[in-house]
Amino acid sequence: DTAVSQTPKYLVTQMGNDKSIKCEQNLGHDTMYWYKQDSKKFLKIMFSYNNKELIINETVPNRFSPKSPDKAHLNLHINSLELGDSAVYFCASSQDNSQETQYFGPGTRLLVL
Amino acid sequence: AQSVAQPEDQVNVAEGNPLTVKCTYSVSGNPYLFWYVQYPNRGLQFLLKYITGDNLVKGSYGFEAEFNKSQTSFHLKKPSALVSDSALYFCAVRDGVYTDKLIFGTGTRLQVFP
Repeated sequence: DTAVSQTPKYLVTQMGNDKSIKCEQNLGHDTMYWYKQDSKKFLKIMFSYNNKELIINETVPNRFSPKSPDKAHLNLHINSLELGDSAVYFCASSQDNSQETQYFGPGTRLLVL
Repeated sequence: AQSVAQPEDQVNVAEGNPLTVKCTYSVSGNPYLFWYVQYPNRGLQFLLKYITGDNLVKGSYGFEAEFNKSQTSFHLKKPSALVSDSALYFCAVRDGVYTDKLIFGTGTRLQVFP
């Protein structure tokens, strides 16, 4: 039983395309996140949602649009993909408390050609 | 702004020897500190955290970390390294008390040799 799951695991696409990555957590958590890990393994938060409400938006281009249909799901839609979007995208979740641990999904490896 | 620094890009240890992966932090107020591990082609796995209380925190897989306020450090340790401990280790800090935003260090690659 995967706690935080992401689909797809790998995504290879052409520049200019639009793609979505899906994330689901079955932990009953209130807060979900998207992180980007670049080729140098540097990890940076992109967004966080609490109970379907956007809480953190870290100066991410507006080509990236998160959507949370319910508190167990946080999807990431990317328009007009660029080469620099190639990275590993991690979804995470935590309880609604700043002391709580964030649990990460397995990652989606996006390659833009 | 809060930050963490991992001064070593890579740490090499022989199996059976003790290991230390270093992390220093810079925060205003009380730090909430975390260690995560990333195995190849996998997501991050939580190891341990310090919020308050005992300075020695025990975590998963035999790891522990010591919170040292005077040296602003939170080094990850294990008494006896295993080859299977080879992975990328990240230190992280909460970006303030009233946020759940995590600031990650640049990661340290641990290589344990048989």
